Amino acid sequence: DTGVSQNPRHKITKRGQNVTFRCDPISEHNRLYWYRQTLGQGPEFLTYFQNEAQLEKSRLLSDRFSAERPKGSFSTLEIQRTEQGDSAMYLCASSLRGQSNSPLHFGNGTRLTVT
Amino acid sequence: TQLLEQSPQFLSIQEGENLTVYCNSSSVFSSLQWYRQEPGEGPVLLVTVVTGGEVKKLKRLTFQFGDARKDSSLHITAAQPGDTGLYLCAGAVGSNYKLTFGKGTLLTVNP
Repeated sequence: DTGVSQNPRHKITKRGQNVTFRCDPISEHNRLYWYRQTLGQGPEFLTYFQNEAQLEKSRLLSDRFSAERPKGSFSTLEIQRTEQGDSAMYLCASSLRGQSNSPLHFGNGTRLTVT
Repeated sequence: TQLLEQSPQFLSIQEGENLTVYCNSSSVFSSLQWYRQEPGEGPVLLVTVVTGGEVKKLKRLTFQFGDARKDSSLHITAAQPGDTGLYLCAGAVGSNYKLTFGKGTLLTVNP
């Protein structure tokens, strides 16, 4: 069990550029989540996949954000036309459906800075 | 929308002291989880409580779920510098897979 892996760990980009983050969940986990965390706040839910199906998207997720999990394994989160307000830590988590209370296993996040 | 209020927001204590942090909501949760997060890392699960009135102990940490399943507390005995971190509570409703997090309590334990 190598845990949840996220790449890159840090990303600095200029406003208006597109960025893409990758998440590799724990291999047997069929649920995958994206959260966003800003300074002084707890993680906020963005979206959720069960296998390859995206089952819920938060209203926080504007049209500039898109997430995919094409084969039910790794996932990508793309932000188009980045804005300074997108600066945050983007956390990925995975869990196993059917496991009691399905605790989330988080990666170490991708810290995005939009200049 | 279920909101979780955590208090205090910041806590700075000396090594060896005891402390309690609180997590409160007006909503009923089917389960509540406590996580600890260190700078530059993702949250790590400490415990899950599911039954009203439940008490769980993890070494020097004691977690309690309120009888009405709307609140929880975390008590640390004889705090150590290694306990320093952001403590987050997170609640789930029904079989909902989605967790709602509080803003966290940032604990600093000074040697």
